[in-house]
Amino acid sequence: QQQVKQSPQSLIVQKGGISIINCAYENTAFDYFPWYQQFPGKGPALLIAIRPDVSEKKEGRFTISFNKSAKQFSLHIMDSQPGDSATYFCAASRSKTGNTPLVFGKGTRLSVIA
Amino acid sequence: DGGITQSPKYLFRKEGQNVTLSCEQNLNHDAMYWYRQDPGQGLRLIYYSQIVNDFQKGDIAEGYSVSREKKESFPLTVTSAQKNPTAFYLCASSLGSVPTNQPQHFGDGTRLSIL
Repeated sequence: QQQVKQSPQSLIVQKGGISIINCAYENTAFDYFPWYQQFPGKGPALLIAIRPDVSEKKEGRFTISFNKSAKQFSLHIMDSQPGDSATYFCAASRSKTGNTPLVFGKGTRLSVIA
Repeated sequence: DGGITQSPKYLFRKEGQNVTLSCEQNLNHDAMYWYRQDPGQGLRLIYYSQIVNDFQKGDIAEGYSVSREKKESFPLTVTSAQKNPTAFYLCASSLGSVPTNQPQHFGDGTRLSIL
């Protein structure tokens, strides 16, 4: 049973456009939702994270939107650049009953073309 | 520089052979994790350890073993029982456990292939 569903699998965006990646989760106990960015041959790096007590978090060109009732969250990359071309993973975990490992989505390969 | 070091970067395994992947961190993190990454599959948890001398199975532990004798080290052994070991293996660590999640930091992975 996949606990975090991520879409789309791949995404092509024009330079300067907005990239949007969506994730949905099933476990209502999840309370921590990070996004990771991975370049080929490298490990994932934390990009931005959100907790369910806020509906949006912005860091530079990256924004997480969170919809608790729909159990969905999304990553928006504004003014997308070729250097943003990478694979992005959403993840979720719960902390109230003890730290648990992250559950990852299957990833979205983003290509930003000039 | 603090970080997570995985070695080797590339590893080849013969049939019936056990191989060990190294993961060392100097971040003074309590928790460490091993993930397996296959194309289009995301990251799947193999084992994790929240404290020295203790570890738990993840979703795909069969055919793997770990040890956590030192805080900074969490080696993963891919045994001959793992019939499909070809994958990219990622080690991660995080500061601690309760009361809040801490971000996981990843190494740059080991790519394991079958000879």
